Amino acid sequence: DQQVKQNSPSLSVQEGRISILNCDYTNSMFDYFLWYKKYPAEGPTFLISISSIKDKNEDGRFTVFLNKSAKHLSLHIVPSQPGDSAVYFCAASGTGTASKLTFGTGTRLQVTL
Amino acid sequence: DTEVTQTPKHLVMGMTNKKSLKCEQHMGHRAMYWYKQKAKKPPELMFVYSYEKLSINESVPSRFSPECPNSSLLNLHLHALQPEDSALYLCASSRTLAGGLYEQYFGPGTRLTVT
Repeated sequence: DQQVKQNSPSLSVQEGRISILNCDYTNSMFDYFLWYKKYPAEGPTFLISISSIKDKNEDGRFTVFLNKSAKHLSLHIVPSQPGDSAVYFCAASGTGTASKLTFGTGTRLQVTL
Repeated sequence: DTEVTQTPKHLVMGMTNKKSLKCEQHMGHRAMYWYKQKAKKPPELMFVYSYEKLSINESVPSRFSPECPNSSLLNLHLHALQPEDSALYLCASSRTLAGGLYEQYFGPGTRLTVT
């Protein structure tokens, strides 16, 4: 049972444009959401997080939006750069499950010149 | 400094071998984690340590044995593994377990191949 889903396995965006990565979840107990970026043969790198009491969090070129009623979150990268090419994982945790992160299956972002 | 280090980077072992994976962080984090990641799959949680005590064991087979000797170190002892245990093993740490509000920082992983 995949509680966190990233339905787009891959995404290609031109340099300078906006990249939008989407994530859906089914468990209403999740109240903290994170995005990680992963290069091949490296561990995931934390990018940005959002608590369920907010609907938006921004950090530089990265913005995460949370729609609790739709159980949907998205990561916007503006402007996209070639160095952003990587696999992006959405992850979620709930107060009751404390530290347990449930990851989505990942979206491979390719930023082209 | 948000660095988590792991050694070795690569490990090849036979099914009768005993080996250990090591993880270290000096961020003062009191929660540490082991994850397993297979190709094209998300990381899967194996173990969680909080203040050097095992807090979560996700029904991992006993051929994997975690150890947390102090607040900076986390080991994963491996014995009698199977070829299907070949994967990337990731260590992570976070400030505490506090309701999941603290992001986890990951190491680069150990690529394990069981022959």
